[in-house]
Amino acid sequence: AQSVSQHNHHVILSEAASLELGCNYSYGGTVNLFWYVQYPGQHLQLLLKYFSGDPLVKGIKGFEAEFIKSKFSFNLRKPSVQWSDTAEYFCAVNAPDSWGKLQFGAGTQVVVTP
Amino acid sequence: GAGVSQSPRYKVAKRGQDVALRCDPISGHVSLFWYQQALGQGPEFLTYFQNEAQLDKSGLPSDRFFAERPEGSVSTLKIQRTQQEDSAVYLCASPGPPGELFFGEGSRLTVL
Repeated sequence: AQSVSQHNHHVILSEAASLELGCNYSYGGTVNLFWYVQYPGQHLQLLLKYFSGDPLVKGIKGFEAEFIKSKFSFNLRKPSVQWSDTAEYFCAVNAPDSWGKLQFGAGTQVVVTP
Repeated sequence: GAGVSQSPRYKVAKRGQDVALRCDPISGHVSLFWYQQALGQGPEFLTYFQNEAQLDKSGLPSDRFFAERPEGSVSTLKIQRTQQEDSAVYLCASPGPPGELFFGEGSRLTVL
């Protein structure tokens, strides 16, 4: 069965610090990979996605993620965070033939202090 | 509509009551997904519709959970004889560009 593991449940950092959120998945086949974000009081929205090709993908708001197949990882990074990046971040995977049926990680709550 | 709309936003039920949660997907979207998000967890897939057909209900946790979409647009998730473990946010989603889901703001159910 698929599973997604996010390494940290809570992260607190200061503005301008760098952010890296870990995500590992377990699945015996090709997967699509996603990071979703939920800002306070808002709905879940897509941050970035990986289907194939260049394993380094860039998303909105300066975020990027790197797919490392050998490590079954899809870590999210941002070189310099802002207070507005305070949110909960979810890693998700699915099989290519069931794209709407996502398996989410438990999420990482990120708090950026001014 | 422009986005996915869910109602009610908040619902408090006494244990044993039945509840119904409504989803208005993005206008014209054929597919619709329901997810359950318990406190401190990521969303978990419940069920999937294509038009009025429920093609996958493998995530429904028990036979107390029932979803329908009779005319292929609005969908209702019904939970019978609610239990405390049903307390969660119930999310509805419509598909967007390949691989992307547009989520509604959710219905937060609290069972006392």
